[in-house]
Amino acid sequence: GAGVSQTPSNKVTEKGKYVELRCDPISGHTALYWYRQSLGQGPEFLIYFQGTGAADDSGLPNDRFFAVRPEGSVSTLKIQRTERGDSAVYLCASSSYYGERDEQFFGPGTRLTVL
Amino acid sequence: QKEVEQNSGPLSVPEGAIASLNCTYSDRVSQSFFWYRQYSGKSPELIMSIYSNGDKEDGRFTAQLNKASQYVSLLIRDSQPSDSATYLCGFSGTYKYIFGTGTRLKVLA
Repeated sequence: GAGVSQTPSNKVTEKGKYVELRCDPISGHTALYWYRQSLGQGPEFLIYFQGTGAADDSGLPNDRFFAVRPEGSVSTLKIQRTERGDSAVYLCASSSYYGERDEQFFGPGTRLTVL
Repeated sequence: QKEVEQNSGPLSVPEGAIASLNCTYSDRVSQSFFWYRQYSGKSPELIMSIYSNGDKEDGRFTAQLNKASQYVSLLIRDSQPSDSATYLCGFSGTYKYIFGTGTRLKVLA
């Protein structure tokens, strides 16, 4: 079956612009996660959805970052007034979630470059 | 103290040898532990999950968990050049999914 997909694969934008990153999880997976990864670092947790609701958004760095998952499937991560420090690979993962046993499967990521 | 510690490496092992990767964590509430492999320029790929103390084997991979000592390790038997990658440990507990910075493994042919 299809894995997690993310679009676009690459996004180059200018400082101050608005960007949207899309994630399409594995069909039937109720849990969806967003991470960002900088070079030489592990993925940094941003936000976690269970169904349509954000169960944990403690990783969002500030109010310029926002994510939605209106129908419990596709999710969009939105970044306003982008800054050069936002440049990273943004990863999405999904899991079928069973208690603590939420084995996550990652998408290919979106590489965001803010000039 | 960092929430999770991994030696960044590189860890170099000859082809056919056993590679041993280690990870320590600080959150005693952690219940779920995972090992991911990440090739350069690619996204992480789940290798193993472990939830109970002891060993869990899957093919050439063995994960070991010791909750009392707060460490988890990954052994790769008969290492192959294709195993050369960065290995990330991750755990879920008080906070949802913390990852280490990864250990870079190089298997020398």
